[in-house]
Amino acid sequence: DQQVKQNSPSLSVQEGRISILNCDYTNSMFDYFLWYKKYPAEGPTFLISISSIKDKNEDGRFTVFLNKSAKHLSLHIVPSQPGDSAVYFCAASVRNTGNQFYFGTGTSLTVIP
Amino acid sequence: EAQVTQNPRYLITVTGKKLTVTCSQNMNHEYMSWYRQDPGLGLRQIYYSMNVEVTDKGDVPEGYKVSRKEKRNFPLILESPSPNQTSLYFCASSTGTKETQYFGPGTRLLVL
Repeated sequence: DQQVKQNSPSLSVQEGRISILNCDYTNSMFDYFLWYKKYPAEGPTFLISISSIKDKNEDGRFTVFLNKSAKHLSLHIVPSQPGDSAVYFCAASVRNTGNQFYFGTGTSLTVIP
Repeated sequence: EAQVTQNPRYLITVTGKKLTVTCSQNMNHEYMSWYRQDPGLGLRQIYYSMNVEVTDKGDVPEGYKVSRKEKRNFPLILESPSPNQTSLYFCASSTGTKETQYFGPGTRLLVL
């Protein structure tokens, strides 16, 4: 059973506009969340993370929002650039239970020039 | 250059023929993991290791073995591969559970 879900397989956005990628989770024990970006033929690379004690974390053009009551997180990219075109995975873990991570199925973002 | 390397990058094999995919990191990381990526299923963790000689099952460990005899290496062993193990495999390492995982470039495996 998928504990982390990304319900949108793909998203297209115009360059300069905001991209919003969504992620839902079912396990209320998750307390650490991450977003990874993946280009074709490469491994995922870390983008941004958030702890459950926060509801927002910002790093440049990337902001992650966490809504614990809704078990929902989102990644905002502003402004979107063509180089942001990639597959984005959200991931979650329970920190005190070792190194086990649960990933979503990914959302393919296309930023149109 | 800090990196995670995997070998081979591509592999075609037949059912039942034992194979090993190697993973090595040069960052002195304690934590290492193996994942498989399948269409519609995302990345699923197979095994992870928190230190030398310390390994544990992830979400989908069936049909796989791992070993961690040295800090830098974490090989994935398929003793008797089956077609449902055809997948894209990634190795990853990090300094701890709160820390960023660094992924290798992936190994694409086809089991006939």
